[in-house]
Order: sequence, then structure tokens, then C-alpha cells
Amino acid sequence: NAGVTQTPKFRVLKTGQSMTLLCAQDMNHEYMYWYRQDPGMGLRLIHYSVGEGTTAKGEVPDGYNVSRLKKQNFLLGLESAAPSQTSVYFCASSQVPGQGARNQPQHFGDGTRLSIL
Amino acid sequence: AQKITQTQPGMFVQEKEAVTLDCTYDTSDPSYGLFWYKQPSSGEMIFLIYQGSYDQQNATEGRYSLNFQKARKSANLVISASQLGDSAMYFCAMREENSGGSNYKLTFGKGTLLTVNP
Repeated sequence: NAGVTQTPKFRVLKTGQSMTLLCAQDMNHEYMYWYRQDPGMGLRLIHYSVGEGTTAKGEVPDGYNVSRLKKQNFLLGLESAAPSQTSVYFCASSQVPGQGARNQPQHFGDGTRLSIL
Repeated sequence: AQKITQTQPGMFVQEKEAVTLDCTYDTSDPSYGLFWYKQPSSGEMIFLIYQGSYDQQNATEGRYSLNFQKARKSANLVISASQLGDSAMYFCAMREENSGGSNYKLTFGKGTLLTVNP
């Protein structure tokens, strides 16, 4: 019963390097999300997807790109990492609330701790 | 203006006592949902409880209950009979369900760090 799985769990990058964070969910959820969590800031939405092949910008999208080629996977890319992107990244997924599941929460992965030197 | 405000950066409670964590929200959407998540020191986000804007009764889940005051736009989390394992960061979040585009994204508050003392 994996739920939402994020890889890697930890990563250290140098400024200017690129990398991709992977998120996979096995709950057949339509919606997927990427958040970042910084001290004292709560969680802020980076990008989200409402279905396979669709993506949209959230609150803090600059410096990130995403892709949703398969329903179960949502990838977050950093093309040229900057120290300001040092953060903990969370992926989440959810059902469509309108489908008789208004009280269904977003299910979160365990997070990826990313440090940019 | 912040959509979700948690005014208590930190709270302390004695084991076995009840504690209330405050959350106020701001929205013009008549249909919305309010969620509380717990984040222990291990880092994962654990869903605790949900309150819908049209729900007539306050939500309850075991030792967790929501004091939902719609007119005041507040959704305070009440934890009864606190346990040492309740020590964690608690986040209030809102989902606006009629916002343009069916995205159902969550807006989070900055959190309250709860410490339960033995």
C-alpha cells in the first residue's frame, strides 16, 4: 500500500546543476501537486496537474518545470538549480472532490530534502 | 491578504489536557473545505480532519474535533486528552471549490508547533 512515493529522499546539488524529482501514486488519482516547504512559510504550491498530459502553474512556479506523461507519475524539474531552491519538496495527489468525495484529502509523499550549494 | 492565518507559532500543553489550535480563513467562495494536517518531526504530512462549508455539524475524528464558526471564518482544531505523540507541527489548509478552473488546490497556513509536556 505505497500511496505516494517520492524519489530521491535527499539530494545535494551545486548551483547551476539540473535534476528531476519523481513522484508516483498508485491510487488512480486524477490530480497531482508539487509543493515546497520552507521554514516559517508553510507549504506553497509550485505546479499542479488535473490529469494526464495537463499541467498548470501554482503560487511559486518560477525556476521549475513539470510533466505528467502518465497518470500515475508527476515529475518536477529544476533546469538550473539556485540556492533559493533549497527546500523540502512534497508531492501530493487527490481524487476529484466532485465525484462523491468532497471530504477526500490530498495524500502526501514523505518529501524530498534538496540542498543547493 | 493571507487566506489562511494561524496566529500561534508555538503552543505548549500538558499531557492529558485539551488544546485548541487556531485557524482563520478568508474566502468569498461559498463552497470550500478546511483541512488539518499533522507533521511530526519525521516530516510526513498526515491528514487529520475535514470540515466542509456546508456541513451542519462540527467534524470529529477520534480525539480531534473542529470548532467551526462560519460567520467568524474560523476553524479551530481541538485535541482532547493530549498525548506525547501529538507533539508536531499542525497545518490548517483551505480548498476553494468554485475557484476558476477545477484545480482544488490547497492553501496552507504557516503552521503551529505543538509541544506536549509530560
